[in-house]
Amino acid sequence: GQQLNQSPQSMFIQEGEDVSMNCTSSSIFNTWLWYKQDPGEGPVLLIALYKAGELTSNGRLTAQFGITRKDSFLNISASIPSDVGIYFCAGLLHYGGATNKLIFGTGTLLAVQP
Amino acid sequence: DGGITQSPKYLFRKEGQNVTLSCEQNLNHDAMYWYRQDPGQGLRLIYYSQIVNDFQKGDIAEGYSVSREKKESFPLTVTSAQKNPTAFYLCASSMGLAGGNEQFFGPGTRLTVL
Repeated sequence: GQQLNQSPQSMFIQEGEDVSMNCTSSSIFNTWLWYKQDPGEGPVLLIALYKAGELTSNGRLTAQFGITRKDSFLNISASIPSDVGIYFCAGLLHYGGATNKLIFGTGTLLAVQP
Repeated sequence: DGGITQSPKYLFRKEGQNVTLSCEQNLNHDAMYWYRQDPGQGLRLIYYSQIVNDFQKGDIAEGYSVSREKKESFPLTVTSAQKNPTAFYLCASSMGLAGGNEQFFGPGTRLTVL
């Protein structure tokens, strides 16, 4: 199955630092979603993006839908220990009609040292 | 509370046995999905259903079966034909045909084949 290129694979940072991760694809998407997954739990939706160029914030999180519709990035400002987890991007591929399919990135593991 | 529930949280199965994983949602969503997650990897789509009594194969449907007799329920059966069934299984739902592409996930079931 298709997967998005997500980078970096992992990040180890100090509390208070800013974080940036991104996803790229050769396909055009009409929706980008960003999820966070804690160990042993299901992913939780953080931010949804619907328009090319859209910039959306959710607290300390900011995400953007790339102008080319082939990429997206997520920034976390002033990281805290509870930001630890795996972050996934997901792009919605429209197959036509009512059929849509989410393609997931490979994930970015974030570790925050207090 | 509205949400998605999966049971059980942990499941152990002997090789050669079929096992059914439960997924229930009370969000009144039309669409439901099953994903498989292996360690250090992203999510891979097993089956999805856009509406009651209809479902489609995802990227890795071999060795799995589903049913969608009720809007709120989408059970997944892992059959003995699945060669490597040990994994973390995630169920998700979305508004589907009614609009809204965000998928919301349950807490997951970890299946271990002994």
